[in-house]
Amino acid sequence: SQTIHQWPATLVQPVGSPLSLECTVEGTSNPNLYWYRQAAGRGLQLLFYSVGIGQISSEVPQNLSASRPQDRQFILSSKKLLLSDSGFYLCAWSVIRVGGNTEAFFGQGTRLTVV
Amino acid sequence: ELKVEQNPLFLSMQEGKNYTIYCNYSTTSDRLYWYRQDPGKSLESLFVLLSNGAVKQEGRLMASLDTKARLSTLHITAAVHDLSATYFCAVDGSTDKLIFGTGTRLQVFP
Repeated sequence: SQTIHQWPATLVQPVGSPLSLECTVEGTSNPNLYWYRQAAGRGLQLLFYSVGIGQISSEVPQNLSASRPQDRQFILSSKKLLLSDSGFYLCAWSVIRVGGNTEAFFGQGTRLTVV
Repeated sequence: ELKVEQNPLFLSMQEGKNYTIYCNYSTTSDRLYWYRQDPGKSLESLFVLLSNGAVKQEGRLMASLDTKARLSTLHITAAVHDLSATYFCAVDGSTDKLIFGTGTRLQVFP
């Protein structure tokens, strides 16, 4: 069966520090991978998505970047965090089946607080 | 650009009552998903709707899709406290992007 791992679960970082969040998927090949951010009490904002190794699409200009060094690994990074980067970060995956993509399956999320 | 809107944003309802959450989207899509999120938790998939007229039911929740109207509904029957959560719809965009609605925060009280 497929599983998705996302870590860490919580993170408190000072302004100006770097960030690296990692997400890995097991049990499937060539998944679509996504990074979403959710501000407190708000909806989900799509940050990045990837349809293959090294292929990253960015949805909003921001202080963050993403990389996909391996088929089932997706990394969210920042060189210098801002206060506005605080939020709940969710990694997700889906695959293409006959008739279209499956629904997205989500990791447990990382709650990032920038202080 | 694909936009997905839900209403209402907040819903406070009494146990035993019925209500419907609406999800409208702006461009053509045949695939729509409903998710549930408990406070502080990740998202759990509820329904996958893959064609016009699709209807799925699980317990007290029923979801439907009208692709011509670009509308999906999530109907709650005889609400119970355990249904209290935030519900999101999501639409598959044309380029493998999954775009989420604003969410509906549901609170069920005795």
